[in-house]
Amino acid sequence: EPEVTQTPSHQVTQMGQEVILRCVPISNHLYFYWYRQILGQKVEFLVSFYNNEISEKSEIFDDQFSVERPDGSNFTLKIRSTKLEDSAMYFCASSTKATSGDSSTDTQYFGPGTRLTVL
Amino acid sequence: EDQVTQSPEALRLQEGESSSLNCSYTVSGLRGLFWYRQDPGKGPEFLFTLYSAGEEKEKERLKATLTKKESFLHITAPKPEDSATYLCAVRLFSGGYNKLIFGAGTRLAVHP
Repeated sequence: EPEVTQTPSHQVTQMGQEVILRCVPISNHLYFYWYRQILGQKVEFLVSFYNNEISEKSEIFDDQFSVERPDGSNFTLKIRSTKLEDSAMYFCASSTKATSGDSSTDTQYFGPGTRLTVL
Repeated sequence: EDQVTQSPEALRLQEGESSSLNCSYTVSGLRGLFWYRQDPGKGPEFLFTLYSAGEEKEKERLKATLTKKESFLHITAPKPEDSATYLCAVRLFSGGYNKLIFGAGTRLAVHP
């Protein structure tokens, strides 16, 4: 069964450094998302991406963050100048459509996550 | 403000003891309610999508239902392997139809 994959599974970085989190969405999906989950808290939406541009972003997704689809398979989240409070699990998700009323096409499937630890 | 509230926060069941988890929502327009299962340190695993009041979906020991204000996830005769955190999420009609708003989850522990 197709699945979303993410690398690395765990990333440790020093405060102020830049990190790139990588995701390979399900191959026929067109919409891509990043969410994060701080330990013990809710899963929070960061950004959605379609047709090589951001379609929506949350207040969390400020100038420190950027996303890119550098090729036909990868989807990346870059965090510049990391802060202690960026420590969290980061999940990539993908779907065929944004909304269709059909769960076979508009369900968001999540990857296993990257645990980011900022020291 | 759009909100999703799940209850209880934690639930402990004996194997075979059926129960229900609740997800109530106050949103401006619903474009789908989603149930996910999350194991510790893992990503959310899709279970069900519900689109309109009265809709029901079933999978093995799980059954999800939807009303205009809440959704229930019924667990019948649970087994220890059903232990996980169950997340509810809504997608909105107006504006942010790309994003899911998650509840805090219900941590379910099923003991033999």
